[in-house]
Amino acid sequence: GNSVTQMEGPVTLSEEAFLTINCTYTATGYPSLFWYVQYPGEGLQLLLKATKADDKGSNKGFEATYRKETTSFHLEKGSVQVSDSAVYFCALRPLTGRRALTFGSGTRLQVQP
Amino acid sequence: DTAVSQTPKYLVTQMGNDKSIKCEQNLGHDTMYWYKQDSKKFLKIMFSYNNKELIINETVPNRFSPKSPDKAHLNLHINSLELGDSAVYFCASSQDPMDEQFFGPGTRLTVL
Repeated sequence: GNSVTQMEGPVTLSEEAFLTINCTYTATGYPSLFWYVQYPGEGLQLLLKATKADDKGSNKGFEATYRKETTSFHLEKGSVQVSDSAVYFCALRPLTGRRALTFGSGTRLQVQP
Repeated sequence: DTAVSQTPKYLVTQMGNDKSIKCEQNLGHDTMYWYKQDSKKFLKIMFSYNNKELIINETVPNRFSPKSPDKAHLNLHINSLELGDSAVYFCASSQDPMDEQFFGPGTRLTVL
């Protein structure tokens, strides 16, 4: 079946530090890949996505590249801010069959001033 | 202004009770979903409706029953609540199953 594995959190960084949150997946074929962000007390928001190999999704300074060879979709940001503190979810949606999102376990990011 | 809204935001109830959570979207989307987020933040799909038709029904107890009176609403009714039902329940919607999903703010259910 499909699955998504994320690095355990929490990840604690100082403001302006470089961020990497690892995400790997298992799926049949070539799924679409997503990063969602959940700010405290809120629902999930789509942060970025990639629908095919070597695509790079980007938004608000965050980037992730769809790597078919390593089945990965790591999230990066060059300089984090306190306002980036949230829980980040990696997710996949298969190309065929049941089209529901499969989420990773989430990684909490805490950015300190 | 709210795109996907849920009521109530918090729900505290006793074991054995029956409760409902309501979801409404004003985006004109055809597809709606219910997800459960447990205490460890794992998010899992429960149900999905497309044009009021059930298209995804994961392995959830039949105490959980979704009801879609129209395309803009997908309510979740839970019978005979158990301690393990305590979680945050998220509603979401999308134009179709392949499109971006928009999530509601969540309903935190606590069963005592």
